[in-house]
Amino acid sequence: GQQLNQSPQSMFIQEGEDVSMNCTSSSIFNTWLWYKQDPGEGPVLLIALYKAGELTSNGRLTAQFGITRKDSFLNISASIPSDVGIYFCAGQYGGSQGNLIFGKGTKLSVKP
Amino acid sequence: DTEVTQTPKHLVMGMTNKKSLKCEQHMGHRAMYWYKQKAKKPPELMFVYSYEKLSINESVPSRFSPECPNSSLLNLHLHALQPEDSALYLCASSQDPLRDFYNEQFFGPGTRLTVL
Repeated sequence: GQQLNQSPQSMFIQEGEDVSMNCTSSSIFNTWLWYKQDPGEGPVLLIALYKAGELTSNGRLTAQFGITRKDSFLNISASIPSDVGIYFCAGQYGGSQGNLIFGKGTKLSVKP
Repeated sequence: DTEVTQTPKHLVMGMTNKKSLKCEQHMGHRAMYWYKQKAKKPPELMFVYSYEKLSINESVPSRFSPECPNSSLLNLHLHALQPEDSALYLCASSQDPLRDFYNEQFFGPGTRLTVL
């Protein structure tokens, strides 16, 4: 089946530092999504990407849809303590009826 | 409004109990989803409803029974569960399951289920 490789698995950073995480796939996706999940809560959609090469920002977050359509990255600038959580990438391919393929997540810890 | 609501927030049940999880959205979305999530793992798809019809069942045991009474509501009926079924159960919705683009999923807060 389709798999997404998300890295890094975890990050420990100092407040104010920039963060970068990425996902790669063995298959082509039509859509890349980035979610953040706090403990005991549902994932919250951060950024949605639909076109190869697309670069989209949401506040301090920036994400890009790779040219090959098989990868995506998420950057967080000037991290703050509330950025703590698990970040998931998810890809969707054509004709999937909404079936998302999730990465295994990146756990972000921020030291004040 | 991009809100999906789920009730209850927490549920504890015995293996002989019958209970139901509820999910609601008022965004006019025509696709609704049930996911199961274990600790430190990504969500795993269980069921997809497309225009109120079950379109995907990811080989889920029959002790989980989904129901979509109308386009805004989604239920998950639980019966004779096992302790290993304890997990966070997430509902999600998206605009149109037949679209390949602009069909991002919005998740509810989840129901934390514990089976004793």
